[in-house]
Amino acid sequence: SQQGEEDPQALSIQEGENATMNCSYKTSINNLQWYRQNSGRGLVHLILIRSNEREKHSGRLRVTLDTSKKSSSLLITASRAADTASYFCMNYGGSQGNLIFGKGTKLSVKP
Amino acid sequence: GAVVSQHPSWVICKSGTSVKIECRSLDFQATTMFWYRQFPKQSLMLMATSNEGSKATYEQGVEKDKFLINHASLTLSTLTVTSAHPEDSSFYICSASRGDLNEQFFGPGTRLTVL
Repeated sequence: SQQGEEDPQALSIQEGENATMNCSYKTSINNLQWYRQNSGRGLVHLILIRSNEREKHSGRLRVTLDTSKKSSSLLITASRAADTASYFCMNYGGSQGNLIFGKGTKLSVKP
Repeated sequence: GAVVSQHPSWVICKSGTSVKIECRSLDFQATTMFWYRQFPKQSLMLMATSNEGSKATYEQGVEKDKFLINHASLTLSTLTVTSAHPEDSSFYICSASRGDLNEQFFGPGTRLTVL
């Protein structure tokens, strides 16, 4: 399977703590994207990091990319209960545009 | 801007019936639309990619006669699940790109339950 892997599969933390999720992929990439999905809802694009970038920030989000290890991490700082959702990484790997989603990390932030 | 809608948001149907799901880009022209399926507690799986005016490209393992995709205009793509069975019950999500495949805008999803 070309599907990427995220770890952990599930993460439960207290409000105010930081949450770190990791994603590994198998093919070469042009970029890697992180998405968020609230239960039963569509995806919301969070951040895109290009293959020639190593780190990117957006508000409380920090994404890193290590192309040598084919891995990326998403850090959410000072988490809030509203951050409770599933987080997916996506990169290209299918028949057109090569789109592959990781399995996702289910984050639960307790107030 | 860049809003994608899906209709219906949920549908329940009997086994053997066909169900059509619409995906619309409301404020932009979508040159490419993607259809995904998500089973409970699993990630999204790309089903097919469609470009306006041409036949959809299906991913390996996806039956093109089972999942009919029509991308008739730059703002509308439809997915028809033909002769639906309980195992087709899933969450179907579309996304649209306005040219840059690096940037996709996702619809809210359609939950299909086949009894």
